[in-house]
Amino acid sequence: GQQLNQSPQSMFIQEGEDVSMNCTSSSIFNTWLWYKQDPGEGPVLLIALYKAGELTSNGRLTAQFGITRKDSFLNISASIPSDVGIYFCAGQSKETSGSRLTFGEGTQLTVNP
Amino acid sequence: DAGVTQSPTHLIKTRGQQVTLRCSPISGHKSVSWYQQVLGQGPQFIFQYYEKEERGRGNFPDRFSARQFPNYSSELNVNALLLGDSALYLCASSLVGRTSGKTDTQYFGPGTRLTVL
Repeated sequence: GQQLNQSPQSMFIQEGEDVSMNCTSSSIFNTWLWYKQDPGEGPVLLIALYKAGELTSNGRLTAQFGITRKDSFLNISASIPSDVGIYFCAGQSKETSGSRLTFGEGTQLTVNP
Repeated sequence: DAGVTQSPTHLIKTRGQQVTLRCSPISGHKSVSWYQQVLGQGPQFIFQYYEKEERGRGNFPDRFSARQFPNYSSELNVNALLLGDSALYLCASSLVGRTSGKTDTQYFGPGTRLTVL
């Protein structure tokens, strides 16, 4: 089945630093999504990407949909303590019925003040 | 506007029991999807329903079943619970139930934490 490889698994950074994480897949996706999940809560949508090559920003967050449609990255600039959490990439493919999401394993981000 | 709501928030069951989890989608959304998230992993797709019809099923045993009601709310049922069913069960809603860009962006509820003893 489809799998997403997300890296890094965890990151420990200082407040103010920039962060970059990415996802790769062996399959093509038509939509890439990035979510953030806090402990005990559901994932919250950060950025959605719908076209290959698309670069989208949401405040200090920037994400890109890879040209090959098999990868995506998320950058966070000038990190702050509330950025702490688990970041997940997710893809949607027209090859599967419906619109199920395939998730990566997550990147655990820790920001030291 | 209310987001996706799920009930209950927490649940403790014993092996062999049955459980029903409930989800109400965002107003106007017609599709509901269910995901299982085991601690330390990403969510895994279980079911998707659109307009009361099943649109997709993940790699889960027949002990898992779901349905969608005329008001677009949904229930997930799990029979003969196993220890390995302990997880956060997430519900997501979207406008439609096919990969069609912005109209199928999925928004998640807070989840139901199921513990099987």
